Amino acid sequence: DSGVTQTPKHLITATGQRVTLRCSPRSGDLSVYWYQQSLDQGLQFLIHYYNGEERAKGNILERFSAQQFPDLHSELNLSSLELGDSALYFCASSPGQPQETQYFGPGTRLLVL
Amino acid sequence: EDQVTQSPEALRLQEGESSSLNCSYTVSGLRGLFWYRQDPGKGPEFLFTLYSAGEEKEKERLKATLTKKESFLHITAPKPEDSATYLCAVYYSNYQLIWGAGTKLIIKP
Repeated sequence: DSGVTQTPKHLITATGQRVTLRCSPRSGDLSVYWYQQSLDQGLQFLIHYYNGEERAKGNILERFSAQQFPDLHSELNLSSLELGDSALYFCASSPGQPQETQYFGPGTRLLVL
Repeated sequence: EDQVTQSPEALRLQEGESSSLNCSYTVSGLRGLFWYRQDPGKGPEFLFTLYSAGEEKEKERLKATLTKKESFLHITAPKPEDSATYLCAVYYSNYQLIWGAGTKLIIKP
C-alpha cells in the first residue's frame, strides 16, 4: 500500500458526460501528479500540482482540468468525454519536487461507452 | 530530442533464467533515474532511484545499475511472481520527468 488513495476505483459513463476523479496524497506529501494510461500504452503525464499551485502541464487536453485543494487532495475533471478517454487514470504523490520518488495510487479505471 | 527508450519491449524467460532490461536515455543534466514495477491494472510500484553514473542498488533478485547513457535492471534467477511490466523514468535538468514505454517481462515456470 503506497498510502495514496484514489476514488472511485471504476467509473462507467457515456460520451459527452463529465466525471471527477479524486486523489488523496500520502500524508505529508505536497505534490500530486496525474497520469493517463490507455490499454497497453505507457504512462502519459497530465499535470503536476505542488501545494495548491499548478507546476507543470503535460499532454493534458483542454477538456480536462485539475485542482489541488488546501487539504492537498486533488481532483481531475474530465468533460465532454469521448470513447478515446477510456483509460486508467493514476495519481501519484511526492514530498515536493519531481526528482523525488513518486508513489502511485491504485488508479481509477474509466470506461466511456 | 530528450527521450527514454526501453528494450526489449517484451521478454520471456524460463524460471531461473537470469537476464537484463535496458533503459537508455538522451537527456542533458540527469538528476535521477527511477525504476518501477507495474502489475496489470495496478499502479506502478517504486523499486529504485539512481542518481549518478556508477551507482548500483539491489533488492532481492533485482539489481539496478547506471551509466552516463543507460541503466540496466538485472534479474537474477527470476520467479514467476517477477512477471510484470518494468518502467523506467528519467528526471533531468528541464525539470521534467520522462517515462519509458516499459518492458513486459514474463517468467514461465
